[in-house]
Amino acid sequence: EAQVTQNPRYLITVTGKKLTVTCSQNMNHEYMSWYRQDPGLGLRQIYYSMNVEVTDKGDVPEGYKVSRKEKRNFPLILESPSPNQTSLYFCASSKAGTGGGEQYFGPGTRLTVT
Amino acid sequence: QQQVKQSPQSLIVQKGGIPIINCAYENTAFDYFPWYQQFPGKGPALLIAIRPDVSEKKEGRFTISFNKSAKQFSLHIMDSQPGDSATYFCAASTGRRALTFGSGTRLQVQP
Repeated sequence: EAQVTQNPRYLITVTGKKLTVTCSQNMNHEYMSWYRQDPGLGLRQIYYSMNVEVTDKGDVPEGYKVSRKEKRNFPLILESPSPNQTSLYFCASSKAGTGGGEQYFGPGTRLTVT
Repeated sequence: QQQVKQSPQSLIVQKGGIPIINCAYENTAFDYFPWYQQFPGKGPALLIAIRPDVSEKKEGRFTISFNKSAKQFSLHIMDSQPGDSATYFCAASTGRRALTFGSGTRLQVQP
């Protein structure tokens, strides 16, 4: 089954404790992206990757890091989480290398930072 | 700066009604306009999409109307059903950049 998986699905952590949210896709897509979803703001792009070892900032990159060492994986790293990073996070992938066209979303990771 | 403005924030209709969700954009370079549907606890999924060379696209009960001169597009759901209750996001992109999403509309279809 073609899918995007994220882990964990739910995470409660404390300010300053480094965490990683994993994302993996099995569709051989070049393009992968991370979004955060907040009420009234829709989905905002954090970082994206057009291929292995190619990453770039989206609209709200502050406080986040990413890496793309393998085509199928695109982890999101919060090195020192803060309460304003409490949000619902989605990973997505797309066949189109530029991110246009249909994007396939993972099930989401709900993060709470206290 | 929000490049895609979506309204209304929430919408309640009766079963069989025709909810309409509107979006307006600013960037005339946008050339792809999808709508995503999101159910509670799930990620968004592509519902229907249009390119600016056509004014309307229908897929089943879902229709996109596109007005290039006004820089607006809208989603119509014909004969709405309780199973259509979800959050709907419009979005836009150029061929070279990622999607810019609207703020979302929470639709509730009452039985």
